[in-house]
Amino acid sequence: KQEVTQIPAALSVPEGENLVLNCSFTDSAIYNLQWFRQDPGKGLTSLLLIQSSQREQTSGRLNASLDKSSGRSTLYIAASQPGDSATYLCAVTGFQKLVFGTGTRLLVSP
Amino acid sequence: DAGITQSPRYKITETGRQVTLMCHQTWSHSYMFWYRQDLGHGLRLIYYSAAADITDKGEVPDGYVVSRSKTENFPLTLESATRSQTSVYFCASKVGEYEQYFGPGTRLTVT
Repeated sequence: KQEVTQIPAALSVPEGENLVLNCSFTDSAIYNLQWFRQDPGKGLTSLLLIQSSQREQTSGRLNASLDKSSGRSTLYIAASQPGDSATYLCAVTGFQKLVFGTGTRLLVSP
Repeated sequence: DAGITQSPRYKITETGRQVTLMCHQTWSHSYMFWYRQDLGHGLRLIYYSAAADITDKGEVPDGYVVSRSKTENFPLTLESATRSQTSVYFCASKVGEYEQYFGPGTRLTVT
C-alpha cells in the first residue's frame, strides 16, 4: 500500500527566505506526482504536476523535483511571501488514484 | 461557469437520514473522484469513476453510494448518515494521467 509522508508538518519562516518542502513515498511505481496548495477552509489548487519520466517542473517561484528511485520529491519556494502561507500537499498517482500526504503547514511572516 | 462545482457547500443533517452531495464539471473529463478530508487522516479517496457508468471503490467506501449516468455529474449519496461521516467532501476530475482539479468542497455535519 502506497504511503506518502511530508516533512516538516509545519514550518514558519520570515518573508524572503527560500525554503524546501519534502515529500516521500514508499512505492516507486507511480505515474506522476502533484503538488497542491490549500488555504484554510478552501479547496485544493494544483501547483505543479511532474510526470514519472520527468525530473522537475517549474512555475514562477516554485520548483518541484522528483526522484522516483529514492521515493522523494521536493518543492522549492524561492523568495517566500506572506501570501504563500497555506498548507502544501503532495500526492502520488498509482493506478488512476491519488494518494495524499498529510501536508506541510507553512506560515510566512512579514 | 466553467470548472467543477459542488452543492450544497454546507449541509447539516441528522443521523440516519439520506443525503446526496452533488458534483458537476464542465470540462468533459473522463475521471471523477470523491474524497473526504479529516483532521489526522488527510484526504482519503471514497469512490472514483473512469467514465459514465463505470465506478470503483477507493480507500473508504463503506456507507457511501455513487452513480454516474452522465459524464459531467458524479453524485455521492450517504444512505444512512452517521456522525463518523461528518467531514469535508471534495470532488475532483481529470483526463488521463494529467492534473486533478478539485471542487470547492462540501462541509457536512451529521448530528
